[in-house]
Amino acid sequence: GAGVSQSPRYKVAKRGQDVALRCDPISGHVSLFWYQQALGQGPEFLTYFQNEAQLDKSGLPSDRFFAERPEGSVSTLKIQRTQQEDSAVYLCASSSPLGLGSPLHFGNGTRLTVT
Amino acid sequence: AQKITQTQPGMFVQEKEAVTLDCTYDTSDPSYGLFWYKQPSSGEMIFLIYQGSYDQQNATEGRYSLNFQKARKSANLVISASQLGDSAMYFCAMREANYGGSQGNLIFGKGTKLSVKP
Repeated sequence: GAGVSQSPRYKVAKRGQDVALRCDPISGHVSLFWYQQALGQGPEFLTYFQNEAQLDKSGLPSDRFFAERPEGSVSTLKIQRTQQEDSAVYLCASSSPLGLGSPLHFGNGTRLTVT
Repeated sequence: AQKITQTQPGMFVQEKEAVTLDCTYDTSDPSYGLFWYKQPSSGEMIFLIYQGSYDQQNATEGRYSLNFQKARKSANLVISASQLGDSAMYFCAMREANYGGSQGNLIFGKGTKLSVKP
């Protein structure tokens, strides 16, 4: 079956613009994660969904970041009034069932550049 | 304190030789899992191998093996018979069973860039 799909692959935004990043997880996967990966760093947790419920958003860096998953499948990460420090790769991952040894399956990411 | 430490920013290995990528971790949770991921230049994170804290034997998966030393809190990845296609970033990650926040969240290290020389 298809893996995790993210779009767009690349996004260039001018500072102050709003952006929306899409994640289509593996079909049937209940758990969905968003990560932010700065250049030369490891991924850092942003937020977690179980079905449509956002159970943890402790990693969102500011109130300009908002994520949703209204029907428990596709998720959108929205960044309002983008800033240069938002430039990073945004990775989406899904898993099901979610146990201690369950790997997360990642998409290719969206590379966001804020100019 | 960092939960996952990868002290080698970059490593070189000759094709067909073995290489060890270091990872140390910090947790007070007795139940946890350790993962290694590969990230080629294409950007996708590819799962390689998993080791549970209660597993008695070191995990192996094809050319990948995990040298798990629980008392030292280390989980080094060993790649045998390196191939050119192994050139990539490698990340060590941990999941704690009793993490109070997001169940299932992986905490990643900063990664090691492996370059395989022909």
